[in-house]
Amino acid sequence: EADIYQTPRYLVIGTGKKITLECSQTMGHDKMYWYQQDPGMELHLIHYSYGVNSTEKGDLSSESTVSRIRTEHFPLTLESARPSHTSQYLCASSEFDRGRDGYTFGSGTRLTVV
Amino acid sequence: ILNVEQSPQSLHVQEGDSTNFTCSFPSSNFYALHWYRWETAKSPEALFVMTLNGDEKKKGRISATLNTKEGYSYLYIKGSQPEDSATYLCAFEVPGGDMRFGAGTRLTVKP
Repeated sequence: EADIYQTPRYLVIGTGKKITLECSQTMGHDKMYWYQQDPGMELHLIHYSYGVNSTEKGDLSSESTVSRIRTEHFPLTLESARPSHTSQYLCASSEFDRGRDGYTFGSGTRLTVV
Repeated sequence: ILNVEQSPQSLHVQEGDSTNFTCSFPSSNFYALHWYRWETAKSPEALFVMTLNGDEKKKGRISATLNTKEGYSYLYIKGSQPEDSATYLCAFEVPGGDMRFGAGTRLTVKP
């Protein structure tokens, strides 16, 4: 049973539309992350949060924005989708101590902008 | 910039073959190295977390070794089965807990 939920799993949307990708976790983890992955490429960190009202941009520049109003919820928003935003988006969370289990991932959202 | 390199990018083996792949990472300021298994349409699943030079971890037919001085980790699968088909990701954990991922090795095991 998944402890971190991403919706939708697949989304095909037209250029210029506003979209929000949802991510929720039930584990009470403080840290949450959004990664973007293009086929055959590594996961790139685009946003992260270390707690409520804390959000930071990751290594890869992204036109998306995030919010963290509640511990369990970390949505990602694109104000105006473009074909270049077509990618897979993975959400993860952690309660990070050295030697523990690392991240728990959601099952991802595969976004196609036409 | 911390680069995590995985090789090969993809691998096709026959059922019953044993296989291995490599993850290379910066050897300075080592904190931890993670291996994940990612099946199509599922979430990446944590396999191992390795923190000490010389660590060896095993889970069933899958094992991993770690060399922090030279900056590499090997993942081995003994007697591959079709259900082992997946992308295997390694990630280098930096102080503070964030991770840098490689592009993964995509393994296909043919019956």
